[in-house]
Amino acid sequence: GNSVTQMEGPVTLSEEAFLTINCTYTATGYPSLFWYVQYPGEGLQLLLKATKADDKGSNKGFEATYRKETTSFHLEKGSVQVSDSAVYFCALSLNRDDKIIFGKGTRLHILP
Amino acid sequence: DAGVTQSPTHLIKTRGQQVTLRCSPKSGHDTVSWYQQALGQGPQFIFQYYEEEERQRGNFPDRFSGHQFPNYSSELNVNALLLGDSALYLCASSSTYGGETQYFGPGTRLLVL
Repeated sequence: GNSVTQMEGPVTLSEEAFLTINCTYTATGYPSLFWYVQYPGEGLQLLLKATKADDKGSNKGFEATYRKETTSFHLEKGSVQVSDSAVYFCALSLNRDDKIIFGKGTRLHILP
Repeated sequence: DAGVTQSPTHLIKTRGQQVTLRCSPKSGHDTVSWYQQALGQGPQFIFQYYEEEERQRGNFPDRFSGHQFPNYSSELNVNALLLGDSALYLCASSSTYGGETQYFGPGTRLLVL
């Protein structure tokens, strides 16, 4: 079936460190890929997305590249801030308007 | 422009009771999806409504039902509540003609005692 696997957390980094959160997927067909972020006590916010192979999604200094050959969509940021502390979800959708399939989430703690 | 809104924000019920959660989609959106997020887990798709009909359904029992109104707002009903129904319930809206991005509301946190 279709699924998303992401690295387990929590991930703890110091401010200004480089961030990578790994995400791989299994899908029939050609999914769109997403990263959502959930700040404490809040709902989900779309962070970035990519709809086809080799696309790079980017937002707020975060980037992720759709790698079809490795079925991956790793999230990266060059210099994290305390305000980036949140839970990050990798997700996929097979068709427009289709349900979104989420990974289990990775909790990120950034220390000042 | 108001985003997706949900009510109530928190709810406490006891086993066996019934609950109704409400969602108003983002302006211009006609499709509403509901997700259940258990503590420490990713959201799980419950069902999706479009044109007042259930268009897709995830792997949830019939105790979970929904409705969409002509103004595109939606309700999620859960009957015969179980302790395991305790979760954050998220509503997401999207536009059938505007692309695939779903916008999420802040959620309703349900505690079943």
